[in-house]
Amino acid sequence: EPEVTQTPSHQVTQMGQEVILRCVPISNHLYFYWYRQILGQKVEFLVSFYNNEISEKSEIFDDQFSVERPDGSNFTLKIRSTKLEDSAMYFCASSDRATYGYTFGSGTRLTVV
Amino acid sequence: EDKVVQSPLSLVVHEGDTVTLNCSYEVTNFRSLLWYKQEKKAPTFLFMLTSSGIEKKSGRLSSILDKKELFSILNITATQTGDSAIYLCAVREAAGNKLTFGGGTRVLVKP
Repeated sequence: EPEVTQTPSHQVTQMGQEVILRCVPISNHLYFYWYRQILGQKVEFLVSFYNNEISEKSEIFDDQFSVERPDGSNFTLKIRSTKLEDSAMYFCASSDRATYGYTFGSGTRLTVV
Repeated sequence: EDKVVQSPLSLVVHEGDTVTLNCSYEVTNFRSLLWYKQEKKAPTFLFMLTSSGIEKKSGRLSSILDKKELFSILNITATQTGDSAIYLCAVREAAGNKLTFGGGTRVLVKP
């Protein structure tokens, strides 16, 4: 069964450093998303991406965040200057149509120290 | 305020029991409601519901939506230890494609 692949599975970074979280969505999917889940809290929407541009973003997704699809297979989330409160599990997801259920990746646990 | 509320927060049952999980929502322009199972990391898709009163079924799991009363239930019959997980409910509004998640129900099935 097709999978969404995320790397790394766990990343530890120092406060103020830049991190790039990587995702390989399912190959024929057109819609891409990033969500995050702070430990013990709800899964929260960050951003959706379609046709090489952001289609929707939440208030969490401020100027320190950016997304990119640098080639035909990868989808990345960059956090420019990490803060302690950015520590969370970050999930990438993709879907082939806007109305369908997503497929989530297994997540990257980001720890900011 | 919370747009998607799940209950109970957690429950413990024994193998063979039936569980019923609840999800209520309050959104302006509802489009669909989705159920996910989260075991260790990634939420895995279970059901998507768009129409009231039509039960979706997959093996021992079933779900139904009530658009008038703004809730959905997820039933698991003849529970097994492998059903132990957090079950997440999420709502998609008509405008946009993002999902708004509830806080989840943690289910523990004991042998």
